Amino acid sequence: DQQVKQNSPSLSVQEGRISILNCDYTNSMFDYFLWYKKYPAEGPTFLISISSIKDKNEDGRFTVFLNKSAKHLSLHIVPSQPGDSAVYFCAALSGYALNFGKGTSLLVTP
Amino acid sequence: SAVISQKPSRDICQRGTSLTIQCQVDSQVTMMFWYRQQPGQSLTLIATANQGSEATYESGFVIDKFPISRPNLTFSTLTVSNMSPEDSSIYLCSAVTGDGNYGYTFGSGTRLTVV
Repeated sequence: DQQVKQNSPSLSVQEGRISILNCDYTNSMFDYFLWYKKYPAEGPTFLISISSIKDKNEDGRFTVFLNKSAKHLSLHIVPSQPGDSAVYFCAALSGYALNFGKGTSLLVTP
Repeated sequence: SAVISQKPSRDICQRGTSLTIQCQVDSQVTMMFWYRQQPGQSLTLIATANQGSEATYESGFVIDKFPISRPNLTFSTLTVSNMSPEDSSIYLCSAVTGDGNYGYTFGSGTRLTVV
């Protein structure tokens, strides 16, 4: 049963514009959420995270928003750059285990 | 930050055979994890491997199929046994490396194709 869902398999954005990647979860016990970025033939690399006691966390061009009542989080990338083209995974922490979504493939076009 | 070296990076194997995947961490870690990513699917946790104890397997995964070794605090192996085409996936190891943000670091993955 998929507890973390990324319903958009792909997203295409023009360079300089905002990229918004969405993630929904079903388990209200999740209290920590992470976004990972993955290039082909590489393992996922940590991007940004947010604790459930916050509703926003910002790190440079990357901002994650959490809406606990809706069990929804989103990753905003502003401005988007061609080097951001990758697969982005949303993950929720349960104990020590990460529960991943299926990923969203982002393509940033020049 | 910590680095995890995983090998092989890819392999093509005959059905019925076994493949052992190795992960080496450049620092001592308590917890290591093995994930599988089937085509078009999310990363799914196979098992948690702690040094000095047997691995803990998630629902749907069994030790006979995916035996794991954890001989010390920097190394772990996952064996995919008696392979079938359904085992074709990317296998990833991960460790809590204490780099902050719960410190999860991943290996580069092993792309396995079973023919």
